[in-house]
Amino acid sequence: DAGVIQSPRHEVTEMGQEVTLRCKPISGHDYLFWYRQTMMRGLELLIYFNNNVPIDDSGMPEDRFSAKMPNASFSTLKIQPSEPRDSAVYFCASSLGGENQPQHFGDGTRLSIL
Amino acid sequence: LAKTTQPISMDSYEGQEVNITCSHNNIATNDYITWYQQFPSQGPRFIIQGYKTKVTNEVASLFIPADRKSSTLSLPRVSLSDTAVYYCLVPYSGAGSYQLTFGKGTKLSVIP
Repeated sequence: DAGVIQSPRHEVTEMGQEVTLRCKPISGHDYLFWYRQTMMRGLELLIYFNNNVPIDDSGMPEDRFSAKMPNASFSTLKIQPSEPRDSAVYFCASSLGGENQPQHFGDGTRLSIL
Repeated sequence: LAKTTQPISMDSYEGQEVNITCSHNNIATNDYITWYQQFPSQGPRFIIQGYKTKVTNEVASLFIPADRKSSTLSLPRVSLSDTAVYYCLVPYSGAGSYQLTFGKGTKLSVIP
């Protein structure tokens, strides 16, 4: 079975540009999570969805960040405009049956903002 | 305020048992504590989950005392391939909010 698929794996862009990260959760999973990982702050939950509806976006750092889940098989995390401090690895994860059920993570998108 | 504390790093020789403890305050009363393993350039991977006392699966055991203010991941007879970062994930609730908070991770180095 396919796991969580994220794209792109790596993204390098200049400050001020729009960045869009994509995620395909495991089929049938009803929860989807976006995380950011940095050396300084570790793994931070940005937002999570249940049945395509955002449940908690309190971890989204600023209005520059937005996330959508138009259907059960696709989600995006967008940063506009991007800043160097947004450089991090962004993970998407999905789970079945609850936000604290075992989460399956993708391999992440390594984002570098120059 | 949710606060989860783990040792930053641990070293162990191959074949030894390794215990990693996570301390957590204000934990939600009716929810699981979960541990994940992460290798470089990969996402975290689920290891084990428990609510109280002891849980064991094919790769690890998880000990949770009655007060649930800590949890200990036990890896029996570690091998070089167990070198990774280990995270606890703890649910917190209070003032109408629910938070899942990862610890900062424990980097385990297994020495031949």
